[in-house]
Amino acid sequence: SQTIHQWPATLVQPVGSPLSLECTVEGTSNPNLYWYRQAAGRGLQLLFYSVGIGQISSEVPQNLSASRPQDRQFILSSKKLLLSDSGFYLCAWHAGNSYEQYFGPGTRLTVT
Amino acid sequence: AQKVTQAQTEISVVEKEDVTLDCVYETRDTTYYLFWYKQPPSGELVFLIRRNSFDEQNEISGRYSWNFQKSTSSFNFTITASQVVDSAVYFCALSPWDSSYKLIFGSGTRLLVRP
Repeated sequence: SQTIHQWPATLVQPVGSPLSLECTVEGTSNPNLYWYRQAAGRGLQLLFYSVGIGQISSEVPQNLSASRPQDRQFILSSKKLLLSDSGFYLCAWHAGNSYEQYFGPGTRLTVT
Repeated sequence: AQKVTQAQTEISVVEKEDVTLDCVYETRDTTYYLFWYKQPPSGELVFLIRRNSFDEQNEISGRYSWNFQKSTSSFNFTITASQVVDSAVYFCALSPWDSSYKLIFGSGTRLLVRP
């Protein structure tokens, strides 16, 4: 069966510091991968998605970036965090034409 | 515009009551998919159901049922005989056909089931 992992689970970072969040999927190959952000008490906003290694599409202009160095690995990065980057970051995947996405456990980021 | 509206921000019910969560969507596409997800306090989103735009049959799964009506662009979710474990935030989402499977989420409805 397929599983999706995210780490770290919780992160507290000062403004201006760099960021690296990692997401990996097991049990499938060539998945579509997605990064979402959920601000406190709000819905989910799609940040990036990837249909293959090195292929990244950005949905929202911001100081975040994403990379996909391996088939089942998706990384969210920032060179300098802003207070507004605080939130709950969720990684998701789906395979083939199943349409539904399956989500990881999330990373709660607090920028101080 | 592609949009999902969940007008109910928060609902509170007593255990064993039935509750309906509303979802209204907007899309210019004739082919699309609709979803419901549950977000318990742990934060992880749990997939509940997917519906495609050509299938308007209502669906029942245990205490859960879904009512899809294209005429009103609605995809409502009913929990029968609610339980405390149903307390969570529920999200409705839309995926247009040519969107690379991207999900457009509503703002969510927080359901509190009191014992």
